[in-house]
Amino acid sequence: DADVTQTPRNRITKTGKRIMLECSQTKGHDRMYWYRQDPGLGLRLIYYSFDVKDINKGEISDGYSVSRQAQAKFSLSLESAIPNQTALYFCATSAPRGTRADTQYFGPGTRLTVL
Amino acid sequence: LAKTTQPISMDSYEGQEVNITCSHNNIATNDYITWYQQFPSQGPRFIIQGYKTKVTNEVASLFIPADRKSSTLSLPRVSLSDTAVYYCLVGGNTGGFKTIFGAGTRLFVKA
Repeated sequence: DADVTQTPRNRITKTGKRIMLECSQTKGHDRMYWYRQDPGLGLRLIYYSFDVKDINKGEISDGYSVSRQAQAKFSLSLESAIPNQTALYFCATSAPRGTRADTQYFGPGTRLTVL
Repeated sequence: LAKTTQPISMDSYEGQEVNITCSHNNIATNDYITWYQQFPSQGPRFIIQGYKTKVTNEVASLFIPADRKSSTLSLPRVSLSDTAVYYCLVGGNTGGFKTIFGAGTRLFVKA
């Protein structure tokens, strides 16, 4: 979805380096998410935020941190990258729909390689 | 959390109807059933959502039996471009965020 952008799209880094992945959205959604996808596997939730002052851990938050700088921006940081963090990372946004499950809108992904 | 179980993969031919079933025995009263489609190297895309009975849109139909312990995504007359991974999710906005993506079903459509 072009309304959700991720930078960079590809990144190669070395073990021990700090790296930040950025996500921006123009959909006006309050809720934002970071997922990780490994080859042949589904998506695993790293962190999510339901508004600017709200940050929640997902299934696999160890080794990651996030910052919600504004409604439209949600950054994911790897403080000290390690090779098993090599994966495809997706950002997503959604808006609450009462009791219904949100429809999540995904960015194009960032392919991260840690050597 | 309501766990979902789907077939790992399915094959079909162009023009056929494809039905992908998802089991969710522990679905909660307030949970909805949502399906997403993912093409290689792209983020998932919403297909359809339902709570009970049948839902149809321009892309697919979703069949949910009365006990809601399973659901079936139906794709009419698939084409090669329907080759993708399909994810079944169960969850909602009641009782906290709990929507989890499983491994999905890899559908391969052949000519």
